[in-house]
Amino acid sequence: SQKIEQNSEALNIQEGKTATLTCNYTNYSPAYLQWYRQDPGRGPVFLLLIRENEKEKRKERLKVTFDTTLKQSLFHITASQPADSATYLCALIGRGGATNKLIFGTGTLLAVQP
Amino acid sequence: GAVVSQHPSWVICKSGTSVKIECRSLDFQATTMFWYRQFPKQSLMLMATSNEGSKATYEQGVEKDKFLINHASLTLSTLTVTSAHPEDSSFYICSAKGLPYEQYFGPGTRLTVT
Repeated sequence: SQKIEQNSEALNIQEGKTATLTCNYTNYSPAYLQWYRQDPGRGPVFLLLIRENEKEKRKERLKVTFDTTLKQSLFHITASQPADSATYLCALIGRGGATNKLIFGTGTLLAVQP
Repeated sequence: GAVVSQHPSWVICKSGTSVKIECRSLDFQATTMFWYRQFPKQSLMLMATSNEGSKATYEQGVEKDKFLINHASLTLSTLTVTSAHPEDSSFYICSAKGLPYEQYFGPGTRLTVT
């Protein structure tokens, strides 16, 4: 069956360090993968999109990698700050008629300690 | 730009009553909107895809007669939870399709059925 897995345990790191979050998927062949940030009681906010033919994408302190062989995406936040504390969701985008649909992972809670 | 609002932000209703949630795209037209449901500590689950002027497409397992969706204009989609029960208590989030492969999410509506 299709599955998208993210670290279910909260990730606690010290301010200034790099946070690395993992998204693994099985039985999918996504054309695109996205990462979102979600704060408690709020809707997700789009961060980055990476295409299947791209290995890496960067935006300011954020970096995403996409390995279609391993079926894995890594999301990095460098020089992390307490304000980065939130739940981070990965989402896959399908092909053909399903290109509008986002399939979300379970999310990883990141806590950055000052 | 690309702001999506939801109303109300939270609602408490009695079992057996119906509740309507509105989703508006404030500064752009959205021919396609999506409705998601999120239970505590779980991911967003797509309920239905709403296209302006046509019937919504529901995901497998979502009762279309219970969750009525109307997308009567390019800036407004509504979700009505009919004959609500306590198990319908959840966080309902809408999104509007923008550029290809992008969705803009609303802030969510917390529904509590007593």
